[in-house]
Amino acid sequence: GQQVMQIPQYQHVQEGEDFTTYCNSSTTLSNIQWYKQRPGGHPVFLIQLVKSGEVKKQKRLTFQFGEAKKNSSLHITATQTTDVGTYFCAASNDYKLSFGAGTTVTVRA
Amino acid sequence: GAVVSQHPSRVICKSGTSVKIECRSLDFQATTMFWYRQFPKQSLMLMATSNEGSKATYEQGVEKDKFLINHASLTLSTLTVTSAHPEDSSFYICSANWGSEQFFGPGTRLTVL
Repeated sequence: GQQVMQIPQYQHVQEGEDFTTYCNSSTTLSNIQWYKQRPGGHPVFLIQLVKSGEVKKQKRLTFQFGEAKKNSSLHITATQTTDVGTYFCAASNDYKLSFGAGTTVTVRA
Repeated sequence: GAVVSQHPSRVICKSGTSVKIECRSLDFQATTMFWYRQFPKQSLMLMATSNEGSKATYEQGVEKDKFLINHASLTLSTLTVTSAHPEDSSFYICSANWGSEQFFGPGTRLTVL
């Protein structure tokens, strides 16, 4: 499957601050998906990006797909304790997902 | 959204025994389901694609004789871990797509003693 690199692996954030997690591929992606996995839980679909340069927002979450469709980012503003978990990007190929390593987010109150 | 269930949620077994995990799509039909494995603090790795009415497709490095997959109906896929060993201890998660979204089951945590 397509290899997707994701950084940082861990993100310790002060409540109220912003952070970004990045996803990169050496090949052009047809689309990229983002998932959130809470501790002890299963991945939950957040969004899919398909178009070059696409930007989508979900409340405090902003997702971007690069112009070359080789990278993507998730930016969270005003982090809350409910944002704790691991965020994965995943490249989809015929519905088969290749996951990035994930960014595990912890929040300091 | 669509719902995918898994059973059991947790299983502890002795080394050498076989364990069957069920994955069900509760409110939609899934001709294709996917099985992933997740080791602690690691990402999800696709093991195989389960195809209704035909043989599963396994990813490179996954032993088909050890991880038996059966997809006998449009709502059920099963994964049997045969002759389980401690290194098979992991979190096994299935998924199915509904539209453009993938829906994951709650996962099965397998511990092999």
